[in-house]
Amino acid sequence: EDKVVQSPLSLVVHEGDTVTLNCSYEVTNFRSLLWYKQEKKAPTFLFMLTSSGIEKKSGRLSSILDKKELFSILNITATQTGDSAIYLCAVIPPYSGAGSYQLTFGKGTKLSVIP
Amino acid sequence: DTGVSQDPRHKITKRGQNVTFRCDPISEHNRLYWYRQTLGQGPEFLTYFQNEAQLEKSRLLSDRFSAERPKGSFSTLEIQRTEQGDSAMYLCASSSMTSGSSYNEQFFGPGTRLTVL
Repeated sequence: EDKVVQSPLSLVVHEGDTVTLNCSYEVTNFRSLLWYKQEKKAPTFLFMLTSSGIEKKSGRLSSILDKKELFSILNITATQTGDSAIYLCAVIPPYSGAGSYQLTFGKGTKLSVIP
Repeated sequence: DTGVSQDPRHKITKRGQNVTFRCDPISEHNRLYWYRQTLGQGPEFLTYFQNEAQLEKSRLLSDRFSAERPKGSFSTLEIQRTEQGDSAMYLCASSSMTSGSSYNEQFFGPGTRLTVL
């Protein structure tokens, strides 16, 4: 069964710190890996990574995928209290017909940023 | 608001009762997904529609669960004879399908939190 493992499960940092969140997966030939941010509501989309070694950036957030080593990292620089949330990693399985579009999520990393 | 909407946002029911949730996707999205999320876990896939066709169902979707998307727009998820283990957040997501792209990101609704007493 496909498996997505995130680490650490929780993390407490001070404002201004830089954090790195990890996502490893056991899905062969997956199509894409996605990162979501979840506060007290629905997950909101951050990044979709399809190609290995290409960094995606959005403001203070960036992410990169290593398909050979089967992991991805999400970096957040100069953290703010508003970054406090659960960060979810998900993969899309290989295409195998009409379905195959569901996301397989990890358990998430709970990030707490304290002033 | 043009995002994914879900109704109700909270539902408390007694064990054995039936419940129905509704999801309205983003209007131009033809793919619709249902997920279930329990405390400390990521969302788990339940089922997926492309237009009105239900194309995939998870093993998690027991015969007490049924989902429909009759006109390819909104969807309903019904749980019959609810059990305490059904208590969870039920999330709906939608995505578009554009030519030249096999997959586009899923946008999630706010969820329906179900509590079974």
